[in-house]
Amino acid sequence: QVHLVQSGAEVKKPGASVKVSCKASGYTFTNFGIAWVRQAPGQGLEWVGWISAFNGNRKYAQKVQNRVTMTIDTSTTTSNMELRSLIPDDTAVYYCARGPYEILSAGDFDFDHWGQGTLVTVSS
Amino acid sequence: QTALTQPASVSGSPGQSIAISCTGTSSDVGGYNSVSWYQQHPGKAPKLMIFEVINRPSGVSARFSGSKSGNTASLTISGLQAEDEADYYCSAYRTTVTPGWVFGGGTKVTVL
Repeated sequence: QVHLVQSGAEVKKPGASVKVSCKASGYTFTNFGIAWVRQAPGQGLEWVGWISAFNGNRKYAQKVQNRVTMTIDTSTTTSNMELRSLIPDDTAVYYCARGPYEILSAGDFDFDHWGQGTLVTVSS
Repeated sequence: QTALTQPASVSGSPGQSIAISCTGTSSDVGGYNSVSWYQQHPGKAPKLMIFEVINRPSGVSARFSGSKSGNTASLTISGLQAEDEADYYCSAYRTTVTPGWVFGGGTKVTVL
């Protein structure tokens, strides 16, 4: 079955960078994409970005687009999300989720399997 | 990005039916059939309950159903059960201004 396993919790100081990994298994990796969604403590879900494992296309939320980079490694079926210049408002649980391999033309828009989440704490 | 609008809370007694609304614009909820619904229990990852407005993934109870009218989508839970108590989020793909996915603020469902 489909599994997405994320790296462990991180504590960072403001201004630092963090990299969260997401290892996928149980399906053909390049037939889908990976989305990243975060949830601040006690708050709702916020989409951070998406990357296609099919062709590497990516799209980032405007709020973080100048600070985030998402990558795909098809040899290890892993996606990484790096967030730079961290601020306290970046404190959240970050989830990866399986999504469409392409936007609009793929015809689907849902995130059907999710990782367990990675808590990133930004504090001085 | 401005979130989709959901009621903060909805409650019902066991066996009753409840509906959660999700209001957006013609660029997201009212556009492509991109509305999804997610259930999240405390401390757990979200779980897909409805995709493409009306479709249920394999394994999701038929008590959960989705619909859409104009710029408002709805999730209906019939035969409410204690295990349905959770937070529910809608999501849609926004095609204009800043394309990308947008979530609703979430609805806390309480089973009385």
